Amino acid sequence: DTGVSQDPRHKITKRGQNVTFRCDPISEHNRLYWYRQTLGQGPEFLTYFQNEAQLEKSRLLSDRFSAERPKGSFSTLEIQRTEQGDSAMYLCASSSIAGRTDTQYFGPGTRLTVL
Amino acid sequence: GQNIDQPTEMTATEGAIVQINCTYQTSGFNGLFWYQQHAGEAPTFLSYNVLDGLEEKGRFSSFLSRSKGYSYLLLKELQMKDSASYLCAVIGGTYNTDKLIFGTGTRLQVFP
Repeated sequence: DTGVSQDPRHKITKRGQNVTFRCDPISEHNRLYWYRQTLGQGPEFLTYFQNEAQLEKSRLLSDRFSAERPKGSFSTLEIQRTEQGDSAMYLCASSSIAGRTDTQYFGPGTRLTVL
Repeated sequence: GQNIDQPTEMTATEGAIVQINCTYQTSGFNGLFWYQQHAGEAPTFLSYNVLDGLEEKGRFSSFLSRSKGYSYLLLKELQMKDSASYLCAVIGGTYNTDKLIFGTGTRLQVFP
């Protein structure tokens, strides 16, 4: 049973560049979440998919951010025209509506540094 | 609004017991999670409480009182590897969705 995987693990980019991150959830999980975490803080919710439908977006997610989950499996998070304030760890989590709890399991994260 | 409070830092000695408290005020509530996060790593699931009472899992136990908006994580027989941040998170918020609302985390340092 493989866990949630994310790629890349680290990304360094210059301000103004576009970046894209990928998340592969646990295979039988139909729910996928993106969070952002800065140093010394807990993760903050960004967006949530159930299958391929994006059901909620945080107000934190500006127009420069877009997420997709085209076939209800992997998901991508794109940040356009990156800013230094976008530097953070981007975490992906997945869960299944089956079972007693809706436990979210996290991937290793993508650490973004914007210079 | 949504508010989850937990102490910023705690220290303890190897072999001891430590209790990490969490209080929450959220518009919706579908359960409370505790996650462990080592520096630079992803959060890993520790426990889930949806009903009042104590859930025990090995060296870790978690307690919930919904009427008081209060939870604690109890770690027994502390080991050096327990040095990590412990995140309290509530599931469900204003729109009663499945998103997790996290506290800032409690950084626990275990000394020999």
